[in-house]
Amino acid sequence: QSVLIQPPSASETPGQRVIISCSGGNSNIGINSVNWYQRLPGTAPKLLIYRDNERPSGVSDRFSGSKSGTSASLAISGLQPEDEADYFCGAWDDSLNGPVFGTGTMITVL
Amino acid sequence: QVQLVQSGTEVKKPGAAVKVSCKASGYVFSTYGITWVRQAPGQGLEWMGWISAHNGNTNLAREFQGRVTMTTDKSTSTAYMELKSLRSDDTAVYYCAISWGVPADAFDIWGQGTRVTVSS
Repeated sequence: QSVLIQPPSASETPGQRVIISCSGGNSNIGINSVNWYQRLPGTAPKLLIYRDNERPSGVSDRFSGSKSGTSASLAISGLQPEDEADYFCGAWDDSLNGPVFGTGTMITVL
Repeated sequence: QVQLVQSGTEVKKPGAAVKVSCKASGYVFSTYGITWVRQAPGQGLEWMGWISAHNGNTNLAREFQGRVTMTTDKSTSTAYMELKSLRSDDTAVYYCAISWGVPADAFDIWGQGTRVTVSS
């Protein structure tokens, strides 16, 4: 059911940088903005990035987004133990006339 | 502050219906539409649909049309999502969300989630 494809997991040591990819298509990422969410275990999703690379108030600048063509990426720099969570991308899909989301990437801080 | 509070855990049998509520506070309810999203175990987020809190218009995901009903009650600032003919693969955590301070395709305020288990 997830239209956007992400790697299932990634891991890195504290202080390092990790990049999560999100691959979509011409009806979603190719023509619309990408958003990124963080979901800590047992909690609701939290918006980290909207409009490809903008951060809501209160979100650390360690999180940054980028997009190229039908793919997008979320970079987390200066990785911290509290960053251990599930990360999802999302974008509006013109064919569905609704938002689609990624399969999710679990980040482990070693 | 802006907040969405959902109803509690539900356990239902196959074929039954479930109605989840989402009570809004901290803003003028009719200003923002309510989006419903679910996450099944081990799966990604899945959009179910959207309802205007202003006039009740809905935009439902194709796979839920005919099985889901979304409503709002302005008097209590509450949105409802009812899913009928439940199947085991409807077991999921259901969320309501709004786009409060961000563009309409992003969701920055979420309810805490309602766990729905469908099992005989």
